[in-house]
Amino acid sequence: TQLLEQSPQFLSIQEGENLTVYCNSSSVFSSLQWYRQEPGEGPVLLVTVVTGGEVKKLKRLTFQFGDARKDSSLHITAAQPGDTGLYLCAGDYSGTYKYIFGTGTRLKVLA
Amino acid sequence: DTGVSQDPRHKITKRGQNVTFRCDPISEHNRLYWYRQTLGQGPEFLTYFQNEAQLEKSRLLSDRFSAERPKGSFSTLEIQRTEQGDSAMYLCASSERSRQETQYFGPGTRLLVL
Repeated sequence: TQLLEQSPQFLSIQEGENLTVYCNSSSVFSSLQWYRQEPGEGPVLLVTVVTGGEVKKLKRLTFQFGDARKDSSLHITAAQPGDTGLYLCAGDYSGTYKYIFGTGTRLKVLA
Repeated sequence: DTGVSQDPRHKITKRGQNVTFRCDPISEHNRLYWYRQTLGQGPEFLTYFQNEAQLEKSRLLSDRFSAERPKGSFSTLEIQRTEQGDSAMYLCASSERSRQETQYFGPGTRLLVL
């Protein structure tokens, strides 16, 4: 059973636009991760957030962990075609580094 | 080291046949995970090993599925009597002792059961 819901499921935007994707759960997570996956490849880890309210930045990507550690968001500024891919959040609710993945947000950035 | 490798990358089989997939983790990584990913979904956890010990199996892993990691290095995932519902991408990941939160994924094995 998937415990993490991501929204939106699909997003198609023009190059240069900003976007935010969300990851929500009814469970508290000890840590939460964001991955990007390209077709035919495995997911690649972007960031791990651990502390409630934590904000991390990775170039044009900003990740936030909710205060209650039940939700997270990923904001991309000035999206580029190279940002196209499947964005996945994954939460560890047991503290054992066994991650449960969300349903994913498929992003397409048009040139 | 070139990362996690999986073999084969693609497998087409007929319903009822057995298949086996192999995963070679990054050298010295003590944990190895198997996931299944169907189209349009995120990866679903199947099982994981710490060294050669299989520590947890998902309820998704029916009796037809078995995984081994006999020497704590590479791992195999076998599916017996395949069904069409087994068609999916099977992903392997590994992590090192000092940074267990960071999993490195392989490219996956895409299985199609006809």
